[in-house]
Order: sequence, then C-alpha cells, then structure tokens
Amino acid sequence: AQSVTQLGSHVSVSEGALVLLRCNYSSSVPPYLFWYVQYPNQGLQLLLKYTTGATLVKGINGFEAEFKKSETSFHLTKPSAHMSDAAEYFCAVSRNTDKLIFGTGTRLQVFP
Amino acid sequence: DSGVTQTPKHLITATGQRVTLRCSPRSGDLSVYWYQQSLDQGLQFLIQYYNGEERAKGNILERFSAQQFPDLHSELNLSSLELGDSALYFCASSYTPNTEAFFGQGTRLTVV
Repeated sequence: AQSVTQLGSHVSVSEGALVLLRCNYSSSVPPYLFWYVQYPNQGLQLLLKYTTGATLVKGINGFEAEFKKSETSFHLTKPSAHMSDAAEYFCAVSRNTDKLIFGTGTRLQVFP
Repeated sequence: DSGVTQTPKHLITATGQRVTLRCSPRSGDLSVYWYQQSLDQGLQFLIQYYNGEERAKGNILERFSAQQFPDLHSELNLSSLELGDSALYFCASSYTPNTEAFFGQGTRLTVV
C-alpha cells in the first residue's frame, strides 16, 4: 500500500526566507510523486511532479523538489518566500499518474 | 482555470436527503476522478471512471454512487446524507489514466 506523511501541519516563514515543506512516502513500487497547492476557496493546482528521470524537479512559481529514494522523501523547497505563496500544500503519491494518495497537507504562512 | 467545471459550487441540504454533484471534464479528457476533502479524513480518493467505465474505487461509501455518461461528464450521487458527509467534493480529469489530472474548484456540501 502507498502512503504519504507530511511533517508539520503548519509552517511559518518570513517573506524572503527559504521555504521547506517535508514529505515522506511509502510505496512498494516505484512511486510517482506530486506536490499540489490549494489557495483558499480554490481547487488543487499541480506545482510539480516526479515520474522518472531527473530526481530534481522544477515546478511553477519557483518551487522545486528532490526525489531521494534512499530517504523515501520528496521535500518541496523555494529559495525565497513571497506573500502570495501562503496556501495549503499537499504531497501525493501514485503508482503511475492514476489515483492519488494525498498527505494531510501543510499550511504555509508567510509573514512580512 | 483548469477547464474542469463542477456544479453547483455550494449545496446545503438536510440529513437523509439525496444530492447530485456534476462534473464536466476538460475538453478531450476521458478519465474522471472524484475526491472528498473533509477536516476529519483529509483528501480521499473516491472513484475513477475512464471512458464511461469504472476503473478504480477508493473509500467510497455504499450510500454514494457515480457514473460517467457518453458525453464524458460525470455525476456523483450522495444519498441518505449524514452530517459527516459535509465536505468539499472535487472532480479531476485527465486525458488517460496515466496523464496529469486537473482539478475543478469543488462543490462544498453542507449537511444540516
């Protein structure tokens, strides 16, 4: 069975600071990994995904994530936070890009 | 705008009632997914259809059912509603089960 653990339900950073949102996965098969963002009263928007190939994945809005098989991790980073990054972020795993198993989400707050 | 349209955006109904949520996938997408987002359970996969056929089932209650019609739109039927069914219900669509899924903005269901 596949599962995702997001460490930290809330993360607060100052504007301009590094953003680091943690995600660890469990999968008996090579996983497909995703990060989605949800703004208030909005649907989910795909930030980035790892399927195969390069383990450092770049996404939209300056975010990137690195697939580390040895650590079963797929942490999301952004070098410099912007006020507009405040949202809820979900890590998800899939066997392919089929049904997604989501983590519990991390709410990112950005302070001026 | 993801191109996935869900109606209605908000729905308030009483316990014991039945409701139908509608999803129009992106033009050309053959696969439709339904997810439930609640405070208790987080984001959970309910069911997936591909080109009119049920492809995968997740944590969907027996009181819930779905279908995908020949024009590829999908409906999620929720019956004998309970207070705990109050949640945000998302539809997502993809061209095939192995391609990226795009999410609609959701239907917020409140059961009173």
